[in-house]
Amino acid sequence: TQLLEQSPQFLSIQEGENLTVYCNSSSVFSSLQWYRQEPGEGPVLLVTVVTGGEVKKLKRLTFQFGDARKDSSLHITAAQPGDTGLYLCAGPPGGSRLTFGEGTQLTVNP
Amino acid sequence: DAGVIQSPRHEVTEMGQEVTLRCKPISGHNSLFWYRQTMMRGLELLIYFNNNVPIDDSGMPEDRFSAKMPNASFSTLKIQPSEPRDSAVYFCASSSGQGVGGYTFGSGTRLTVV
Repeated sequence: TQLLEQSPQFLSIQEGENLTVYCNSSSVFSSLQWYRQEPGEGPVLLVTVVTGGEVKKLKRLTFQFGDARKDSSLHITAAQPGDTGLYLCAGPPGGSRLTFGEGTQLTVNP
Repeated sequence: DAGVIQSPRHEVTEMGQEVTLRCKPISGHNSLFWYRQTMMRGLELLIYFNNNVPIDDSGMPEDRFSAKMPNASFSTLKIQPSEPRDSAVYFCASSSGQGVGGYTFGSGTRLTVV
């Protein structure tokens, strides 16, 4: 059983569409992070959310941390082919190590 | 900084052979993590070090796996003997503080055991 459940697992959309991916847990996290991974590379940190209800924006990407700090979402506006990749959420279940969700594989078609 | 450097990028070996993966973390980062990524299981933490000391190795699958960090700038992950089910991409990551501020990952080593 994954500590962090991500949905959907796969998403294929056309350029210009909006999308939201989700990261859910039954556990409370002190913080959650979002990473993007491109083929042949390691994950790259996009953002860290710390406070329940927090919203952070990174250009066309909007990240939200749930009020109860058990879930998070990533919304992309007007998706572009360059947004294609594996989006991973991660959080510290305790101590300093991170546990990762299985990811959402996003494909944006031109 | 050149980032986290892993070598080799690709490794193909025969079952039963010893495999050694190498990692150079970012200078000044005091935590180092080894992860394994597969389609079936995603990213799994194998072991992590803090100030060169192994803190949690509960993710190491079997005694065939071992990891060392002899100094702050170098770590190895060894598999002996290797098996086909060890085929995966192995990532090294480093962070400052306790890692909650985010990890910097290397580009990974793609291991294929035939």
